[in-house]
Amino acid sequence: DQQVKQNSPSLSVQEGRISILNCDYTNSMFDYFLWYKKYPAEGPTFLISISSIKDKNEDGRFTVFLNKSAKHLSLHIVPSQPGDSAVYFCAASLESGYALNFGKGTSLLVTP
Amino acid sequence: GAGVSQSPRYKVTKRGQDVALRCDPISGHVSLYWYRQALGQGPEFLTYFNYEAQQDKSGLPNDRFSAERPEGSISTLTIQRTEQRDSAMYRCASSSDSGPPYEQYFGPGTRLTVT
Repeated sequence: DQQVKQNSPSLSVQEGRISILNCDYTNSMFDYFLWYKKYPAEGPTFLISISSIKDKNEDGRFTVFLNKSAKHLSLHIVPSQPGDSAVYFCAASLESGYALNFGKGTSLLVTP
Repeated sequence: GAGVSQSPRYKVTKRGQDVALRCDPISGHVSLYWYRQALGQGPEFLTYFNYEAQQDKSGLPNDRFSAERPEGSISTLTIQRTEQRDSAMYRCASSSDSGPPYEQYFGPGTRLTVT
């Protein structure tokens, strides 16, 4: 069963606007969440993470928000750039440094 | 520095043959993970090692799959008597224990096709 869900397979955003990618999870024991970015023919690349004791983590144009009561997290990219076009995976783990449970990914297209 | 490398990048094999997939983690990384990724899906956990010890193999689909990391560095994932359903991208990742967030660094993957 899929414990991490990304219900939007794709998203298209204009350059300069905000991209919001969503992720839901079912296991309340998850305590660490990560976002990965993947370009074609490459492996996933770590983007940003958040511990369950926080509700927000920011790194430059990327911010991850965690709502534990709703078992929901989101990745905000502001402003979006064409180079951000990639597949974004949400992942969660039971304990930092352990196996990651991935969602199916959301394909983001940022148009000029 | 060098990232995670995997070899071969592509492997085509006939059903029933054994295959060995290799992963060379980032130097000094303690933990090594194997994942399998089907088309349109996210990576699915198979197994992981801390140093040479296999800590969890609960994700291995059946006993045709095995993995080892004898010296705590390079790892090999072996699939015996391959079947067509084994066709997928096999990804390796490594992580250090120098402190959170313990993000895993992925290699480019090995595309396995079983004909």
